[in-house]
Amino acid sequence: EIVMTQSPATLSVSPGERATLSCRASQSVSIDLAWYQQKPGQAPRLLFYRASTRATGIPARFSGSGSGTEFTLTISSLQSEDFAIYYCQQYNTWPYTFGQGTKLEIK
Amino acid sequence: EVQLVESGGGLVQPGGSLRLSCAASGFTFGSYWMSWVRQAPGKGLEWVASIKQDASERHDVDSVKGRFTISRDTAKNSLWLQMNSLRAEDTAVYYCARVRGGYGLDAFDIWGQGTMVTVSS
Repeated sequence: EIVMTQSPATLSVSPGERATLSCRASQSVSIDLAWYQQKPGQAPRLLFYRASTRATGIPARFSGSGSGTEFTLTISSLQSEDFAIYYCQQYNTWPYTFGQGTKLEIK
Repeated sequence: EVQLVESGGGLVQPGGSLRLSCAASGFTFGSYWMSWVRQAPGKGLEWVASIKQDASERHDVDSVKGRFTISRDTAKNSLWLQMNSLRAEDTAVYYCARVRGGYGLDAFDIWGQGTMVTVSS
């Protein structure tokens, strides 16, 4: 199975600053990569698919990039509602696999 | 409103069985692959199983093979997960999720609120 590795595990950033989250695949997944946001007690929410296509209703301060094995989620100016856990997921090959998550916390 | 609502979770003893349900509304259920994803307490997300629109193709994670069965009924707009021979490590919130795009491998664009399954004696 394809192993997804996210870094860092925890990222401390001040509101208004930029956050950059990384996701690496153990083998190429092309652009078959999604990003999700999860807040405590809530279901995950789709942010991006095809690595860089924003899902419905996702603000423009969020951007996704990458292909192959290296992917990045960037939040240009953090708002209070952005502090959450972020997961990447590959859907190139069965089984679907997720990264272990990056917790974005307020500095 | 596009919605998925899970039910059927609860406390079950090791070796026991449970059947989870997911009721879909607000979209053409029969046009989408559907999946189950779980999350153990304080842990990350783990895909469990997926099923094609006409139920002719199913996939599941190795850790549940032979124990869990995903099924669906388009007429009832319903998805199920039959879980047998449950183990402590199956304890998790189980989410029902829609696979976007109509194909087997794609992102999960709609999620239910989840139902908690606890396996303990």
